Amino acid sequence: KNQVEQSPQSLIILEGKNCTLQCNYTVSPFSNLRWYKQDTGRGPVSLTIMTFSENTKSNGRYTATLDADTKQSSLHITASQLSDSASYICVVSAGQKLTFGTGTRLTIIP
Amino acid sequence: KAGVTQTPRYLIKTRGQQVTLSCSPISGHRSVSWYQQTPGQGLQFLFEYFSETQRNKGNFPGRFSGRQFSNSRSEMNVSTLELGDSALYLCASSSVDYLTDTQYFGPGTRLTVL
Repeated sequence: KNQVEQSPQSLIILEGKNCTLQCNYTVSPFSNLRWYKQDTGRGPVSLTIMTFSENTKSNGRYTATLDADTKQSSLHITASQLSDSASYICVVSAGQKLTFGTGTRLTIIP
Repeated sequence: KAGVTQTPRYLIKTRGQQVTLSCSPISGHRSVSWYQQTPGQGLQFLFEYFSETQRNKGNFPGRFSGRQFSNSRSEMNVSTLELGDSALYLCASSSVDYLTDTQYFGPGTRLTVL
C-alpha cells in the first residue's frame, strides 16, 4: 500500500534554532516528492519539488534532501522565524497518484 | 499574476442539502485539482480536470462531482450532504500536469454541515 509517513507529528522550537522534519515513503513508481507549507486557515504553498535524480534542493532557509534508495526525505529549516510556524506536508507523486503525508505541525516560540 | 481564488470562503449547510464550490485558476493554467482536508484524514485527492475533461479521480463516492469550463474555471458539487463532509475544500491549479508541475493552492472553502 502506498504510504507517506511524517515525523514528528508536532515540534516546538525556539526562534533562531534549526530543525529537521522527516518524510518516509513506500510509494512506487516514484515520480517526485514535494514539500508544502500550510499556514493555519490557508492553502498549502509549495516549497520544493524533487525528482529521482535530485538529492538536495533549497528555497531560502528551507533545504530538502531526498534519498531515493532508502525512500526518505527531510526538510531542514535554518534560523527559524516566528513566521515558520505552520504545518509542513510531504507529498509523493507515483504513477497517476499523489499520496499525502499527514504533516508535521511546527511551532516557533520567541 | 493573480493567484487561485475560491468562492465562497465559508459555507454552512444542513444534512441532505447540496453545495457547489467554485475555483478560478491562475491565468494560463489548464489543470485544476480538488482536495478535501480534515483533521483526521489530512489532505485527500478528489479529482483533477484538464481542458474540461476529468483525467483522474480519487476514492470518493459519486456524491462528489466536478466540472471544468472552457476558461479553466472549475466547480465541484457535493449532493446529499453528510456530517462527515465538513471539511476544508482546496483547489489547486497547475500549468499542465498536476503530477509534475508546481501546484498553486487557493485559500479553500470551509464547509460546515449541521
